[in-house]
Amino acid sequence: QKEVEQDPGPLSVPEGAIVSLNCTYSNSAFQYFMWYRQYSRKGPELLMYTYSSGNKEDGRFTAQVDKSSKYISLFIRDSQPSDSATYLCAPLRTLAQGGSEKLVFGKGTKLTVNP
Amino acid sequence: DAGVIQSPRHEVTEMGQEVTLRCKPISGHNSLFWYRQTMMRGLELLIYFNNNVPIDDSGMPEDRFSAKMPNASFSTLKIQPSEPRDSAVYFCASTRGDSFGLFFGSGTQLSVL
Repeated sequence: QKEVEQDPGPLSVPEGAIVSLNCTYSNSAFQYFMWYRQYSRKGPELLMYTYSSGNKEDGRFTAQVDKSSKYISLFIRDSQPSDSATYLCAPLRTLAQGGSEKLVFGKGTKLTVNP
Repeated sequence: DAGVIQSPRHEVTEMGQEVTLRCKPISGHNSLFWYRQTMMRGLELLIYFNNNVPIDDSGMPEDRFSAKMPNASFSTLKIQPSEPRDSAVYFCASTRGDSFGLFFGSGTQLSVL
């Protein structure tokens, strides 16, 4: 079983729609749950992250984690054409020896928001 | 801040040739990561350094790949000899040890013919 599973899409929605992007993971040791956004021909950039279970809201974006089911979601309200990108989930575990994180990325879901 | 700088932006080479990819991390960041991205496999961690020391190179596919970080402001990823299956986008990313979130460069698009 892969550590992180993500539906690659593509997902196409009209402007203004509510978008739901999802991931599942297998390792219960993950503590932080990141969402990265990657525009075409660019590197990924951190969009937001949550710690443990629960919701976190940032403007039109809401990240949700259910550790009991190992399920991660990102919701985008009032989607805009500028939201068109690939969204990658990345659960995180801190390293036993300390130091920097080692991220495990999902393959990403490609989203297109049509004007 | 200029962000993570990678060069070259694109590289086209023939099978068997040596390829060297370069990365300048963000000043003050003490951790550096090399990733490879393909449609089939997504974003894969190849190797990462902490304070210029390689910590985990378990993602390096084989001995043809090597990475160095001679100082805090420069790293290289070398493929020798290159093969067509190495064609991918290679990303470098950096972070401070005490922060969450990686800062990625714009990547090097490598095509091995």
